[in-house]
Amino acid sequence: AQSVTQLGSHVSVSEGALVLLRCNYSSSVPPYLFWYVQYPNQGLQLLLKYTSAATLVKGINGFEAEFKKSETSFHLTKPSAHMSDAAEYFCAVSDGSSNTGKLIFGQGTTLQVKP
Amino acid sequence: GAVVSQHPSRVICKSGTSVKIECRSLDFQATTMFWYRQFPKQSLMLMATSNEGSKATYEQGVEKDKFLINHASLTLSTLTVTSAHPEDSSFYICSAIPGRGYGEQYFGPGTRLTVT
Repeated sequence: AQSVTQLGSHVSVSEGALVLLRCNYSSSVPPYLFWYVQYPNQGLQLLLKYTSAATLVKGINGFEAEFKKSETSFHLTKPSAHMSDAAEYFCAVSDGSSNTGKLIFGQGTTLQVKP
Repeated sequence: GAVVSQHPSRVICKSGTSVKIECRSLDFQATTMFWYRQFPKQSLMLMATSNEGSKATYEQGVEKDKFLINHASLTLSTLTVTSAHPEDSSFYICSAIPGRGYGEQYFGPGTRLTVT
């Protein structure tokens, strides 16, 4: 069965510092992996996705993530945090075993950016 | 592209009444839509999978008679919360997949339901 673990429910960085949000997955089939961002009282916006092409995936707003099969990880990074990056971030893996299109979400990581 | 809308964005209703929430894919056809519920400071909880022209598939523990889902067209799914109670107050979010398969889901902006 697929699962996602996001290490750290809360991450705080200074403006301009590196952002690293951790995500580890478990999947019985080659996974499709996603990072979403959610601003308060809004839906989720897709940041980037891994679908078995390049292992380094670039997304919107300067974010990128690297798929590492040996570590079963898909960590999200951004070289320089901006105040507008403060939000909730969710890692998700496709439920490939059920062919339903379902996503399995992690518990989320709140990113705080300090001035 | 791939825009999903929800209506209403916010609704307050009295206990015992029913509320309908609409989810529309604006620029693509969505064979499959999903309905989630999100509690404060928590992740999304999948309630059901809505497939156009067929009955929705509910997750374990979700009352299908309470949360009625209709996916009447390729661009519209509705969630009706019947006989709402204060414990049904929550943030409800829908999503849609363009076509079938393992593609990413596109999310609506959510509906804040408050039952008084």
